Amino acid sequence: IQLTQSPSSLSASVGDRVTITCRASQGISSYLAWYQQKPGKAPKLLIYGASTLQSGVPSRFSGSGSGTDFTLTISSLQPEDFATYFCHQLNSYPFTFGQGTRLEIK
Amino acid sequence: EVQLLESGGGLVQPGGSLRLSCAASGFTFNIYGMSWVRQAPGTGLEWVSTISGSGDTKFYADSVKGRFTISRDNSKNTLYLEMNNLRAEDTALYYCVQCSGGFCYQKYFHPWGQGTLVTVSS
Repeated sequence: IQLTQSPSSLSASVGDRVTITCRASQGISSYLAWYQQKPGKAPKLLIYGASTLQSGVPSRFSGSGSGTDFTLTISSLQPEDFATYFCHQLNSYPFTFGQGTRLEIK
Repeated sequence: EVQLLESGGGLVQPGGSLRLSCAASGFTFNIYGMSWVRQAPGTGLEWVSTISGSGDTKFYADSVKGRFTISRDNSKNTLYLEMNNLRAEDTALYYCVQCSGGFCYQKYFHPWGQGTLVTVSS
């Protein structure tokens, strides 16, 4: 199953609302997770089950979707949110990741 | 607190072998599936392999099938990745990851270790 994220990169300002999309090449129900990765750090789980916020993750992050189309939304960007974001399907083997979306400061 | 500490990375020549280890603590190790995920320099994430909590069920990416072997020692709370016939394209940071259930299927990955770097070069 291929996951295609868009955009590949994005420039935004603090306080902006940002949406990243992830499209699966076939249906994956709600078995999609989102991770945030900062330079030199391991990925960090943000969302699982397409829309469930991981404990400790700020509520400005939200996820939605099912089947083939998913979104990650950050409602009001904070300075610490500038990072790379990956979607990940665990519906079937081989597990796959999106190519990543790099979120940069405008 | 869950901790995953990878080790065993290094520089190896093409065709060579390495064994990665991941020492786990802070959770009941034998209940959870575990996975390896790699990230080549400056690129995205690639799932490598998954093993069930009992160790009976294993899955591999096509890119490593027949060359890599995942295993675990539940008495030592340790996950392994035996890598043989290494290629330049195996160069990456290898992360050890806990699955949220006994089988990683339809679960999620959390948390991730900090990774161990494997470089395949002559």
